[in-house]
Amino acid sequence: QSALTQPASVSGSPGQSITISCTGTSSDVGGYNYVSWYQQHPGKAPKLMIYDVSNRPSGVSNRFSGSKSGNTASLTISGLQAEDEADYYCSSYTSSSTAVVFGGGTKLTVL
Amino acid sequence: EVQLVESGGGLVQPGRSLRLSCAASGFTFDDYAMHWVRQAPGKGLEWVSGISWNSGSIGYADSVKGRFTISRDNAKNSLYLQMNSLRAEDTALYYCAKDKLELPTGAFDIWGQGTMVTVSS
Repeated sequence: QSALTQPASVSGSPGQSITISCTGTSSDVGGYNYVSWYQQHPGKAPKLMIYDVSNRPSGVSNRFSGSKSGNTASLTISGLQAEDEADYYCSSYTSSSTAVVFGGGTKLTVL
Repeated sequence: EVQLVESGGGLVQPGRSLRLSCAASGFTFDDYAMHWVRQAPGKGLEWVSGISWNSGSIGYADSVKGRFTISRDNAKNSLYLQMNSLRAEDTALYYCAKDKLELPTGAFDIWGQGTMVTVSS
């Protein structure tokens, strides 16, 4: 069982906005601003889309944004495009004996 | 070009050992924490282990603690994962990943293409 909880799937039509949630505890998501989001297309390595809750790496579209409230972080993708269809994972630093935890992943389908 | 290249994967019998390597290039290796992340076939990402820039801070997932050992050689720009007492559930694609900071934060901005480890008799 994954330490962070994500919905298994979300879907949206081109041009719409969707939000993926990532729920943890006060020992990880709620306790630190070290939440990241990754996009993974089939057969490819993951790509960092958001780090430190809401920062975008250079080259990532501003259609991707991140936020956090309490123990839940969120990834919002606006103006959905076909190429956004992928698996999305959240991660967080944790104060437990492990240093990093991932969510179980969310499959985004663009209808 | 910033690059991570993993090697050392393969087919191994349960209970045996394997050592993975990750060669880094294109960035100042000893400025950053490094990690191993794995993905079982058809499954999600699982963080395996991480090590700070100077090896002073090391962490392991509960699933591998006591069996796997992470290390790095900053002079050789290389990261390693010694895997002992391998189990069928360790079968996965193992990625090497660079952290954005010198201490583990979980922000992996560079990933390798992975090396496959299959544990089977």
